[in-house]
Amino acid sequence: DTAVSQTPKYLVTQMGNDKSIKCEQNLGHDTMYWYKQDSKKFLKIMFSYNNKELIINETVPNRFSPKSPDKAHLNLHINSLELGDSAVYFCASSQRSYDTGELFFGEGSRLTVL
Amino acid sequence: QKEVEQNSGPLSVPEGAIASLNCTYSDRGSQSFFWYRQYSGKSPELIMSIYSNGDKEDGRFTAQLNKASQYVSLLIRDSQPSDSATYLCAVRRDTGRRALTFGSGTRLQVQP
Repeated sequence: DTAVSQTPKYLVTQMGNDKSIKCEQNLGHDTMYWYKQDSKKFLKIMFSYNNKELIINETVPNRFSPKSPDKAHLNLHINSLELGDSAVYFCASSQRSYDTGELFFGEGSRLTVL
Repeated sequence: QKEVEQNSGPLSVPEGAIASLNCTYSDRGSQSFFWYRQYSGKSPELIMSIYSNGDKEDGRFTAQLNKASQYVSLLIRDSQPSDSATYLCAVRRDTGRRALTFGSGTRLQVQP
């Protein structure tokens, strides 16, 4: 009964490949996010969706494409992976779009690009 | 200058002592402030939020905010080994771009 769950937890892949990460929340929250945490532990927002609508789109390469089929799911697809994409990607949710400070995080997906 | 600055640590304190974690921010428009705890290999979890100047206490945790000095801190009283983690400070504007901006965290080690 995990509140925010992500799959897979680990991805190891070669440069140039494409990969996807899936996220689901069962909290009934309206808003979901993708955050990237680099090796220096900086946690940076990438995207935010409120009820399937994209509301935050930070300066992220076009190779990253989020998709929200419904408000409980937010997936992240990454094309043409590069070495610099190696990081931990966290999905998160909040009850409302303005509750951006009260985030519930998934366990993270550690992506390693070789 | 980073938007949210924290000393990376490690900050080492003995069990039972007070741990003091500090954070400064550059955006004067920031109005809401949060502390997240992240155990090694785990996801961040919210432990405190503070919105107005002064102190806010919750159990062994006290958050302190001084908007004039652009400074927010977290005090942990009676530190326990289980408090050993990285503490992330995050700030947010309450108008316009509301996304959280995180610092890179301070690693706390509580020595038994």
